[in-house]
Amino acid sequence: AQSVAQPEDQVNVAEGNPLTVKCTYSVSGNPYLFWYVQYPNRGLQFLLKYITGDNLVKGSYGFEAEFNKSQTSFHLKKPSALVSDSALYFCAVRDGTGFQKLVFGTGTRLLVSP
Amino acid sequence: DTGVSQDPRHKITKRGQNVTFRCDPISEHNRLYWYRQTLGQGPEFLTYFQNEAQLEKSRLLSDRFSAERPKGSFSTLEIQRTEQGDSAMYLCASSVDRGYGYTFGSGTRLTIV
Repeated sequence: AQSVAQPEDQVNVAEGNPLTVKCTYSVSGNPYLFWYVQYPNRGLQFLLKYITGDNLVKGSYGFEAEFNKSQTSFHLKKPSALVSDSALYFCAVRDGTGFQKLVFGTGTRLLVSP
Repeated sequence: DTGVSQDPRHKITKRGQNVTFRCDPISEHNRLYWYRQTLGQGPEFLTYFQNEAQLEKSRLLSDRFSAERPKGSFSTLEIQRTEQGDSAMYLCASSVDRGYGYTFGSGTRLTIV
């Protein structure tokens, strides 16, 4: 069964600095990987996905993620953090066959200080 | 198209009461999912519909839970005899056939008192 690990409960970064939110995954077959963001009392908003192709995926709001097959990782990055990026970030994975159930990590809270 | 809509946004009910939530997916999406999210956790899969057929249910979905999607459009999730542990955010999402990502609604926050 597929699984996702987000090893950091919280990431703190100063505004203007680069940020990284870590994600590792386990899946049989080719991985389909996603990042979602959640603001307080709201649903999840899609940021970006990796299906195939270039290992560096660009998404919404200036975020990008790097797929590393050998390390089974899909870390979320942004060159320059904004205070408004402060939110809860979830990595998710599904395998490349059959049913499309997404399995989510436990989330990482990003706190960007002014 | 205004995305995935969920109603109500918040529900407070006494333990033992029944509650029903509604989800209206994006109109051209034939796949619909229900997830539950408790505080400090990621969303956990509950059930999945393709059109009107319920194709998979999680073990989390006890006998007190039932979901329907009668005409392959909107869906309802009912919880009977609610318990304290049912307090959570219930999220609905939809996707197209062989689509790779979900679109989530804003969720229904259930509080059992």
